[in-house]
Amino acid sequence: EAQVTQNPRYLITVTGKKLTVTCSQNMNHEYMSWYRQDPGLGLRQIYYSMNVEVTDKGDVPEGYKVSRKEKRNFPLILESPSPNQTSLYFCASKVGLLAGGTTDTQYFGPGTRLTVL
Amino acid sequence: AQSVTQLGSHVSVSEGALVLLRCNYSSSVPPYLFWYVQYPNQGLQLLLKYTSAATLVKGINGFEAEFKKSETSFHLTKPSAHMSDAAEYFCAVSRYSSASKIIFGSGTRLSIRP
Repeated sequence: EAQVTQNPRYLITVTGKKLTVTCSQNMNHEYMSWYRQDPGLGLRQIYYSMNVEVTDKGDVPEGYKVSRKEKRNFPLILESPSPNQTSLYFCASKVGLLAGGTTDTQYFGPGTRLTVL
Repeated sequence: AQSVTQLGSHVSVSEGALVLLRCNYSSSVPPYLFWYVQYPNQGLQLLLKYTSAATLVKGINGFEAEFKKSETSFHLTKPSAHMSDAAEYFCAVSRYSSASKIIFGSGTRLSIRP
């Protein structure tokens, strides 16, 4: 089954304790992206990756890091989480430019609900 | 710069009634427009997309949207609401089909009354 998986689904942590949210897709997609969803703000893009070893900032990158060492994985790293990073996080993927794909369909993971105390 | 405005954070309709969710966009270049749906505790799922072909776009689950350039709108409609349509709906815009950036609206929560 084609899917995007995220782990963990729920996480409660404390300020300053480094954490990683994993994202994996099994569709051989080039493009992957992280979003955060907050009430009344919709989804805002944190980081995206056009391909392996190619990443770039989205609209709200502060306090986050990403890496893309393999095509299927795109982990989101919070080096020193703060309460304002409490949010619902979504990973998404889609066929990228290099594959000749013009499809715009992004496939979203189920979300990770993060609470930073 | 591109932006999306969804009018109404919450819309409630009776089962069987018309569903109308409003979306207006701002874009200095021809836009690509999308509607996504998010069911409770799930990720987003693409409902439909406008990519400069037909202005009336049909999507899944009986939804459709019409691109109106003169009104800079891309409203989502469904003739007859079903209880299973209760969800949050997001309008989104991007610059071109393979764009790295897609801008989402703030979302509209649709409730269906029995």
